[in-house]
Amino acid sequence: EVQLVESGGDLVQPGGSLRLSCSASGLPFSNHPMHWVRQAPGKGLEYVSSISDNGGSTYYADSVKDRFIISRDNSKNTLYLQVSSLRAEDTAAYYCGCSGGSSPGYWGPGTRVTVSS
Amino acid sequence: DIQMTQSPSSLSASVGDRVTITCRASQGIRNDLGWYQQKPGKAPKRLIYAASSLQSGVPSRFSGSGSGTEFTLTISSLQPEDFATYYCLQHNTYPWTFGQGTKVDIK
Repeated sequence: EVQLVESGGDLVQPGGSLRLSCSASGLPFSNHPMHWVRQAPGKGLEYVSSISDNGGSTYYADSVKDRFIISRDNSKNTLYLQVSSLRAEDTAAYYCGCSGGSSPGYWGPGTRVTVSS
Repeated sequence: DIQMTQSPSSLSASVGDRVTITCRASQGIRNDLGWYQQKPGKAPKRLIYAASSLQSGVPSRFSGSGSGTEFTLTISSLQPEDFATYYCLQHNTYPWTFGQGTKVDIK
């Protein structure tokens, strides 16, 4: 059974940083592109970032470009999202997902980031 | 960026009703589209991939159609557990984009 579990969410002040993690099991992690999406309270889903299976290609939404960095450690079956220069509008539940040639078929339960002073 | 226009934004329906939700892409995306169901406080759940392929374990009352720029999710006979919010996602071109969502609630 595929399982994705996010961690690292917290309450952080504006301008602060966090590293979100997504631990994967039940799949050949190094074969799958991985993704982050988020959902602000009461809002819809928003695409954040993607990384190729070997980590060689990364993609970002315009809203997070130059502030967020996606990475992965295939030896640890773990996906990361370094989030920096945080703003109030980054407050959201962050979900990691995996895909294999199509839209992501699996998502984790999410980790919550709150940006507030 | 590719824009996904989803309609309606909300609808009220009764158990047994046929429900149709539409997503329109601002440019052609072949069949690179998924449909997701989300319930409050939960992760999205994929219902349809490649525009018309039913995810394993998803009831057959859900179906998807379309290609290019026009896509449809149909629920043939709405069940109590189907009251939720539905999203389309285009994965043809980065950055990927979601539709705005359609909230289906009880009439």
